[in-house]
Amino acid sequence: KNEVEQSPQNLTAQEGEFITINCSYSVGISALHWLQQHPGGGIVSLFMLSSGKKKHGRLIATINIQEKHSSLHITASHPRDSAVYICAVIIQGAQKLVFGQGTRLTINP
Amino acid sequence: NAGVTQTPKFRILKIGQSMTLQCAQDMNHNYMYWYRQDPGMGLKLIYYSVGAGITDKGEVPNGYNVSRSTTEYFPLRLELAAPSQTSVYFCASSYAGTSDTGELFFGEGSRLTVL
Repeated sequence: KNEVEQSPQNLTAQEGEFITINCSYSVGISALHWLQQHPGGGIVSLFMLSSGKKKHGRLIATINIQEKHSSLHITASHPRDSAVYICAVIIQGAQKLVFGQGTRLTINP
Repeated sequence: NAGVTQTPKFRILKIGQSMTLQCAQDMNHNYMYWYRQDPGMGLKLIYYSVGAGITDKGEVPNGYNVSRSTTEYFPLRLELAAPSQTSVYFCASSYAGTSDTGELFFGEGSRLTVL
């Protein structure tokens, strides 16, 4: 079983819908990253969080350390949000990341 | 700042050849990483470094070597290329691994094919 599991693996929605992508992990962590990978392949960091909630524009990321769970929400989704969203955790005491397999999001106009 | 710069972007190798993927960052980041991404799979850590002169193995280090003689550069060497090393390689860096300033910056990726 992977240390980091994302769900769903694939998600298709209509423009304007509220999107939730989930990330669960089984190890102690010091922080968690949400990343976005566009079809061209480039990877961009969206959030790094170790507690609570962060918001940037239409994107919101939350983390519950006790439940070992994080969510990424997109409000008023748009076709340009279509990408692979990746959750990655920094394992406590280790300076390296473990990645989820990614969630492929497609927003149709 | 140029951020994280990787070269080459594309390369085709024959089995048994060797090559070096270059990675440079101009943000004075301590932490640098090399990942590979196979089709439909998550990123796997090959090697990482927490500072100049310090490197450590990740999940999939076999067939690769790294060095970190300066803060800026973190080259990845492939010795005796094999078809299993066909992948997209990403270099990344961060200032700190665990603090709130540990935002990750990625290079654009290097697509390597071994035939």
